[in-house]
Amino acid sequence: DIQMTQSPSSLSASVGDRVTITCQASQDISNYLNWYQQKPGKAPKLLIYDASNLETGVPSRFSGSGSGTDFTFTISSLQPEDIATYYCQQYDNLPRTFGQGTRLEIK
Amino acid sequence: QVQLQESGPGLVKPSQTLSLTCTVSGGSISSGGYYWSWIRQHPGKGLEWIGYIYYSGSTYYNPSLKSRVTISVDTSKNQFSLKLSSVTAADTAVYYCARNRDAFDIWGQGTMVTVSS
Repeated sequence: DIQMTQSPSSLSASVGDRVTITCQASQDISNYLNWYQQKPGKAPKLLIYDASNLETGVPSRFSGSGSGTDFTFTISSLQPEDIATYYCQQYDNLPRTFGQGTRLEIK
Repeated sequence: QVQLQESGPGLVKPSQTLSLTCTVSGGSISSGGYYWSWIRQHPGKGLEWIGYIYYSGSTYYNPSLKSRVTISVDTSKNQFSLKLSSVTAADTAVYYCARNRDAFDIWGQGTMVTVSS
């Protein structure tokens, strides 16, 4: 299985801050990576697909980059509604695997 | 728009079989182009992909659960189902159904299943 490692595991930031989360794959996955947002008690929501493409309707403050084994997810200006846990997920190989999640809190 | 809804018992006894159904509305499973997945989330933990099915019936299961998992599809009812046998407390989780090609783009709301006597 491809292991996905996110860092940090948790993060506290202020409204308006630029927030960055990283995801590292245990092997080259090209750009076959997605990012999800999960709010408490809710299902995950797709934000970014193919490493850098914004899903329809997702605010432009969210972005993604990277290829190979190293990926970055960025919120350019943190908003209160962005409080959630964020997951990366690879689809290069089966089984599909997720990172362990990054919990984002407001400072 | 396409919506997914999980249904099934919220409590299952140890050693029994967990059975859940996902009903798809607003679109047809038979139209093809998508896989239909089950994903679970242990309390306070991350996401674990269980497996998927195509409308034709072809499946892929996560090797970590393969010996206990069966996913089936009923195109006439526009539903797909999960069976997980010989459950233990370690199978207590929120179970989600989801539509996917490369990304899981549509999810059900999730259903909590507790394994307890």
